[in-house]
Amino acid sequence: EPEVTQTPSHQVTQMGQEVILRCVPISNHLYFYWYRQILGQKVEFLVSFYNNEISEKSEIFDDQFSVERPDGSNFTLKIRSTKLEDSAMYFCASSKEVRTGELFFGEGSRLTVL
Amino acid sequence: TQLLEQSPQFLSIQEGENLTVYCNSSSVFSSLQWYRQEPGEGPVLLVTVVTGGEVKKLKRLTFQFGDARKDSSLHITAAQPGDTGLYLCAGVRSNFGNEKLTFGTGTRLTIIP
Repeated sequence: EPEVTQTPSHQVTQMGQEVILRCVPISNHLYFYWYRQILGQKVEFLVSFYNNEISEKSEIFDDQFSVERPDGSNFTLKIRSTKLEDSAMYFCASSKEVRTGELFFGEGSRLTVL
Repeated sequence: TQLLEQSPQFLSIQEGENLTVYCNSSSVFSSLQWYRQEPGEGPVLLVTVVTGGEVKKLKRLTFQFGDARKDSSLHITAAQPGDTGLYLCAGVRSNFGNEKLTFGTGTRLTIIP
């Protein structure tokens, strides 16, 4: 069964460092998303991406964040200068459709900022 | 800000018992999804309810969407240890489809054998 894959599964970084989280969405999906979940808190929307551009982003997704689809398969989330409060589980998701489509989530990348 | 409150936050019951989890909001959603999340994994979609008053059954799980499309419930009959997990409701806004899911606060369910 096709699945969304994410790397790395866990990354530890120093505050102020740049981090890139990678995702390979399901191959025939067109819509891509990043969500995050701070430990003990709810899952929060970060950004959605369609047709090689951001379609919506939340207030969390400030100038420190960027997304890119550098080739036909990868979808990346970059955090330019990490802060302690960026420590969270970051989930990539993809869907085939928007209105009734099911979101398929990856297993997540745990980011720990020291 | 659209909020989805789930209750209870934690629930621990004996195997074989029935339970209901609630998801409430003051906002109207075009549809509502229920996910289950295992530790260290991403959420997995269980069901989507679209029409106000809709009831969907998935084996021992029954999902209901409120008439006003502001609330939903998940009822589990004869709970089993395999039902243990974090259950999340997520609201879908009408204008943007499922681009921006608003997740609920979650209900952590533990079924004791």
